[in-house]
Amino acid sequence: ILNVEQSPQSLHVQEGDSTNFTCSFPSSNFYALHWYRWETAKSPEALFVMTLNGDEKKKGRISATLNTKEGYSYLYIKGSQPEDSATYLCAFPLYNTDKLIFGTGTRLQVFP
Amino acid sequence: DGGITQSPKYLFRKEGQNVTLSCEQNLNHDAMYWYRQDPGQGLRLIYYSQIVNDFQKGDIAEGYSVSREKKESFPLTVTSAQKNPTAFYLCASSIGQGETEAFFGQGTRLTVV
Repeated sequence: ILNVEQSPQSLHVQEGDSTNFTCSFPSSNFYALHWYRWETAKSPEALFVMTLNGDEKKKGRISATLNTKEGYSYLYIKGSQPEDSATYLCAFPLYNTDKLIFGTGTRLQVFP
Repeated sequence: DGGITQSPKYLFRKEGQNVTLSCEQNLNHDAMYWYRQDPGQGLRLIYYSQIVNDFQKGDIAEGYSVSREKKESFPLTVTSAQKNPTAFYLCASSIGQGETEAFFGQGTRLTVV
């Protein structure tokens, strides 16, 4: 079984704090790395799909970086807001297949 | 509107019964997936399909079966062989090849009573 690890498992921050979490994945045969946000009572929604080593992507206050050589990606949230509260999932597609493996997720709670 | 639809939202099953969860998409996606989520755990892959009439086992396929007779549809059957079927099930689809995002349905919560 291919391992995609996320840390921390959960995170509680105050409104206005910046935060970051990690996704670790196998560095061999890298193809792409996905980040999703999953809010309570909703479906997971894609934030980023990253394919190149050194890639940085940004959407509003959320950004992500990618290091394919060492097998990790960071997701950053600047100035967290209560509406950022969600579970953040990363996913790793197996090379040359459609098999998409998800990490265990990081559950973020932002308190006003 | 294009999207992916799962039904039903809640499902109750008696022990020993098979039950089928529906997943339909009108996004013209080739790849479709079934995931299971248990409390405190991430999404675990049950089965996936890259094309019509083809599907592959994921990491926890035992006790489940699928079919892909049409591009739009990827139903999941939870059989009586699945020892712990109570869980939240998510269906997803994508264009394929991993370089594009997956889109998810709303999920089905299955409870064995």
